[in-house]
Amino acid sequence: EAEVAQSPRYKITEKSQAVAFWCDPISGHATLYWYRQILGQGPELLVQFQDESVVDDSQLPKDRFSAERLKGVDSTLKIQPAELGDSAMYLCASSLASASGSGEQFFGPGTRLTVL
Amino acid sequence: AQSVTQPDIHITVSEGASLELRCNYSYGATPYLFWYVQSPGQGLQLLLKYFSGDTLVQGIKGFEAEFKRSQSSFNLRKPSVHWSDAAEYFCAVTPLNFGNEKLTFGTGTRLTIIP
Repeated sequence: EAEVAQSPRYKITEKSQAVAFWCDPISGHATLYWYRQILGQGPELLVQFQDESVVDDSQLPKDRFSAERLKGVDSTLKIQPAELGDSAMYLCASSLASASGSGEQFFGPGTRLTVL
Repeated sequence: AQSVTQPDIHITVSEGASLELRCNYSYGATPYLFWYVQSPGQGLQLLLKYFSGDTLVQGIKGFEAEFKRSQSSFNLRKPSVHWSDAAEYFCAVTPLNFGNEKLTFGTGTRLTIIP
């Protein structure tokens, strides 16, 4: 069964350092999402891609976060510099983009980031 | 703006007992509704979804949910829980416009199962 892949699964870093997360969506899924899930809360969308274009990055802290999906397949989310408040689970999801739209997003296992 | 409320932060039930997790949403039109489950340290798995039609939807692992438009609710139920159902459960909504399928999640309900 096809799955969304993410790496690393766990990352510990010190504040002010740079970190990067990678996501490989299910083959053929044109839409890719990055969510941040703070402990005890539901996931919140950071950025949404349609192919290689950003559809929604209104909640992405652009002073320190960046995201790219250069060839419209895999994606990288970067934080520079990391802050203590960035400690969270970072989830990647993908879905088929179609006029009818199934609405179903498939989630990867996530990257647990701890900033010390 | 759309929002989702899960009023129960933590629920404890005995194995074999029935379960109901509450979800209320706020949205201008009928949204598309989802329930996801998350095991500790894992990603989210879709349990079931409602788009239209029959308001009682069946999902995986024996779960079902009922959409009640008059109450703006989409509660999740299971007649008999198993120890493996212990997890975090999230209700989510989306407007499902083509090209904008952003999910808005509730804060989650943590389910504990006791023997």
